[in-house]
Amino acid sequence: SQTIHQWPATLVQPVGSPLSLECTVEGTSNPNLYWYRQAAGRGLQLLFYSVGIGQISSEVPQNLSASRPQDRQFILSSKKLLLSDSGFYLCAWNPIRDWNRMEQYFGPGTRLTVT
Amino acid sequence: QKEVEQNSGPLSVPEGAIASLNCTYSDRVSQSFFWYRQYSGKSPELIMSIYSNGDKEDGRFTAQLNKASQYVSLLIRDSQPSDSATYLCAVNVGTGRRALTFGSGTRLQVQP
Repeated sequence: SQTIHQWPATLVQPVGSPLSLECTVEGTSNPNLYWYRQAAGRGLQLLFYSVGIGQISSEVPQNLSASRPQDRQFILSSKKLLLSDSGFYLCAWNPIRDWNRMEQYFGPGTRLTVT
Repeated sequence: QKEVEQNSGPLSVPEGAIASLNCTYSDRVSQSFFWYRQYSGKSPELIMSIYSNGDKEDGRFTAQLNKASQYVSLLIRDSQPSDSATYLCAVNVGTGRRALTFGSGTRLQVQP
């Protein structure tokens, strides 16, 4: 069976510090991978998605970046965090290569607080 | 107009009642529709998917899709306090877009 991991689970970082969040998927190959952010009491905002190694699509211009160095690894980074970067960061994967049937499954999430 | 719209709630129903959650979307070419349940502090969990007009039943859950009217709904029969959560509607909006667009969610409260 497939499993998606995220770490760390929680993170408190000062403004201006760097960020690295990691997501890995087990039990599948060549998944589509996604990063979402959910601000407190808000909906999900798509940040990045990737259809393969080194292939990143950005949805929202901001001070975040994403990389996919390996097939089942997706990393979200920032060089300098802003207060507005606080939120619940969710990684998701989609196992079906049919763009008309895009079920997505979420990891447990990382709760980031920027102080 | 938002691409995917939901009433934020809270929707309060008594235990054992039917909860009805609604979602409208703006893009007529959308092909796939999903309902996720999100408990407070947790990540969303996929509970239903629907791709064609009509009803799809899974246990106490029924998803209804009407592409002509551009709405999708979720019915929860025999609501339980454990169903209290935020329910997110998700749609693949846009031709060739390889990601889902989520509504902001409806908070459901089931009163014991």
